Amino acid sequence: EAGVAQSPRYKIIEKRQSVAFWCNPISGHATLYWYQQILGQGPKLLIQFQNNGVVDDSQLPKDRFSAERLKGVDSTLKIQPAKLEDSAVYLCASSFGGRTYEQYFGPGTRLTVT
Amino acid sequence: SQQGEEDPQALSIQEGENATMNCSYKTSINNLQWYRQNSGRGLVHLILIRSNEREKHSGRLRVTLDTSKKSSSLLITASRAADTASYFCATGGGLNTGNQFYFGTGTSLTVIP
Repeated sequence: EAGVAQSPRYKIIEKRQSVAFWCNPISGHATLYWYQQILGQGPKLLIQFQNNGVVDDSQLPKDRFSAERLKGVDSTLKIQPAKLEDSAVYLCASSFGGRTYEQYFGPGTRLTVT
Repeated sequence: SQQGEEDPQALSIQEGENATMNCSYKTSINNLQWYRQNSGRGLVHLILIRSNEREKHSGRLRVTLDTSKKSSSLLITASRAADTASYFCATGGGLNTGNQFYFGTGTSLTVIP
């Protein structure tokens, strides 16, 4: 079974530029999560999708972050414009169901904003 | 602020010893999960314990949950060098948390060969 795929693995941009991350979840997983993990901290949930609908985006900085999951499969997370404090690893995870199910994580995208 | 907090922040033990790490949380939960993260890699699910369970085992892992104290512990027995990683607890599903899902700050475990 293929795992959660993410791309790119690394990205370096200057502040005020925009960037997009892509995630392909495990086949058949209805729930998809995006997390931000700052160095030395635990992951922080940014947004949760159930199929192609948003379940929870309460911690997503909506003035600069956006995410979509068209057709209930792949998802993209965008930051525009980026700030220095956005430097982090962005993790995508998927699960069969909601939060009572284990989550499978991708390798993450390490973003550096200079 | 995040829901779960792990203790200790860092732990160093000899191979073969047992490692215990604790997680405390603030509000009611539906379930508590433990994840492992090796350096520079994604997280791997270890075990899930529901709010109506008190103890669960999986291989060399033993998890306890005390909802009255809002705490959980993860015990790794007979540790190996490959257990070196950061361990996170994650809580979710509680009605009065807005059904949000939180990871703790993590315990960094080093197992010395």
